[in-house]
Amino acid sequence: GQQVMQIPQYQHVQEGEDFTTYCNSSTTLSNIQWYKQRPGGHPVFLIQLVKSGEVKKQKRLTFQFGETKKNSSLHVTATQTTDVGTYFCAGLGSGAGSYQLTFGKGTKLSVIP
Amino acid sequence: ETGVTQTPRHLVMGMTNKKSLKCEQHLGHNAMYWYKQSAKKPLELMFVYSLEERVENNSVPSRFSPECPNSSHLFLHLHTLQPEDSALYLCASSQQRAYTDTQYFGPGTRLTVL
Repeated sequence: GQQVMQIPQYQHVQEGEDFTTYCNSSTTLSNIQWYKQRPGGHPVFLIQLVKSGEVKKQKRLTFQFGETKKNSSLHVTATQTTDVGTYFCAGLGSGAGSYQLTFGKGTKLSVIP
Repeated sequence: ETGVTQTPRHLVMGMTNKKSLKCEQHLGHNAMYWYKQSAKKPLELMFVYSLEERVENNSVPSRFSPECPNSSHLFLHLHTLQPEDSALYLCASSQQRAYTDTQYFGPGTRLTVL
């Protein structure tokens, strides 16, 4: 079945440093979604990427969908303590019989003030 | 922030108990989902309902039984659970047919099975 791998599992950064998490799918995706879960909270939708090579920005966050639509990344510039949490990618399969949203394990970000 | 509510927020139950989790969405969405979130595991999709019809059942043990009486409400009936079923159970909804767009998550029910 479809698998979505996300790395790294944990990331500790000094406040002000950049941070990137990567997502790789075993199959071609229709779209990829990114979610953030704060400690003790629930996943909250951040963005959805649909087109091959698409890049979207939200303030200090930059999201990219690979040309092959099998990988994606989230880059955070100049991290702040408010960025703390777990970032999940979720890929929507594109083939017949694989119309399912599969979540990665997430990257847990810690920011040292 | 979220139009998806879940009750109870915390639940402790014995292995012989029967309990139900409730989810309600106030967003007018057509699809609803149950997820299980355990420590060190990815979010596991359990059930999907689209327009009140179950469209996905990901090999979930029969001790978990979903119910969707209408497009705004979703229940998860629990019976004879095991300690390994202890987890955060998240409900989510999306506007259109299952999977096609953003999922809005509820706050979750933290379940502990003794």
